[in-house]
Amino acid sequence: EIVLIQSPDFQSVTPKEKVTITCRASQSIGNSLHWYQQKPDQSPKLLIQYASQSFSGVPSRFSGSGSGTDFTLTINSLEAEDAATYYCHQSSSLPMYTFGQGTKLEIK
Amino acid sequence: QMQLVQSGAEVKKTGSSVKVSCKASGYTFTYRHLHWVRQAPGQALEWMGWITPFNGNTNYAQNFQDRVTITRDRSMTTAYMELSSLRSEDTAMYYCATSTVLDAPFDYWGQGTLVTVSS
Repeated sequence: EIVLIQSPDFQSVTPKEKVTITCRASQSIGNSLHWYQQKPDQSPKLLIQYASQSFSGVPSRFSGSGSGTDFTLTINSLEAEDAATYYCHQSSSLPMYTFGQGTKLEIK
Repeated sequence: QMQLVQSGAEVKKTGSSVKVSCKASGYTFTYRHLHWVRQAPGQALEWMGWITPFNGNTNYAQNFQDRVTITRDRSMTTAYMELSSLRSEDTAMYYCATSTVLDAPFDYWGQGTLVTVSS
């Protein structure tokens, strides 16, 4: 099973700051890595697909990069509405899937 | 617009089973895969399994292999997830989600169904 480890687990940031969340895979997954945002009491929402492609309607301040085993989600100029937990997800090891443990972002 | 609407919250006794439904609309039901993901309180997302509505093919995560069954009714454009031999650790929010192909992100999600298991 491919394990995804995110860092940090928790981050407290101020508005307009730049935030970087990383996701490391236990083996190479090419670019089959996706990022989701989950706000309290809501379903997850797709932000970034295939490591760097923004999903439809996602604000341009969200971007992704990486390939192989190391991936990054970047939020430029953080807004208060970005308070959420962010998850990475790999779809390389078919027919199985795994998620990272999540990174909780708190806005000061 | 693409939509997945799940059945309502359930309260179950330990040892019983639960069946959660997920009705799809706004797209051709047989053209996309349907996944089930669960989230225990305060915990991360955990993939449970998928079904290909076109032919009914399924695949399950090893953690749930013996207890989960995913089915679909093409005429109702609805998928179902049944979990048996419930234990308290199965108390969680259960989500359905869809993807275009298997190697694709889950781009649309249901609203979630809370299943509470108690003795």
